[in-house]
Amino acid sequence: SYDLTQPPSVSVSPGQTASITCSGDKLGDKSACWYQQKPGQAPVLVIYQDTKRPSGIPERFSGSNSGNTATLTISGTQAMDEADYYCQAWDSSTGVFGGGTRLTVL
Amino acid sequence: EVQLVQSGTEVKKPGESLKISCKGSGYSFTNYWIGWVRQMPGKGLEWMGMMYPGDSDTRYSPSFQGQVTMSADKSISTAYLQWSSLKASDTAMYYCARQVWNYVGGHYYYNGMDVWGQGTTVTVSS
Repeated sequence: SYDLTQPPSVSVSPGQTASITCSGDKLGDKSACWYQQKPGQAPVLVIYQDTKRPSGIPERFSGSNSGNTATLTISGTQAMDEADYYCQAWDSSTGVFGGGTRLTVL
Repeated sequence: EVQLVQSGTEVKKPGESLKISCKGSGYSFTNYWIGWVRQMPGKGLEWMGMMYPGDSDTRYSPSFQGQVTMSADKSISTAYLQWSSLKASDTAMYYCARQVWNYVGGHYYYNGMDVWGQGTTVTVSS
């Protein structure tokens, strides 16, 4: 089975840049998505096709994907960005999520 | 407004059957895949599988193959996830979500799960 690995936690100070990585074999050859989930809420799509933002997602969210690593970057991180973040990709017609990263803004 | 509305909280006993629902509105229900995602208490997201309501094509994650059944009634724009015999380990939040692909230049590009239901809490306990 295909595995995606994320760091369990990332901390960032308000106004700074947060980077969350997602690693998988030849992930750069696949299309990566990122979801934000706040406590008690359903996930929200924040990045698709590696770099694209859905309508309504702030410009401070950006993505990249190359080699074995996809990265979600949040520039000028705000307190409201504190949440769990999950990457997702496809392998052999199966959707796979990473284990999730808790972003703490402190 | 495009939305998915899921059925309410369920409390069941081990061995019982269950069918939860996910009703779509505001878009052409038959033209988009519906995916199901499990989130066990305090844990991450797990992709269970997906169904295309237009022709009932269904794909399951190997981890969930044989454990659940996905179906849909396109006449009422509703997708279903069902269990024939619940286990305590099925206790979780279950989400449905619209999955989007674009076909461009001979290739399919995955655009993610762009609309999510509010989730259905399933508790299985004796």
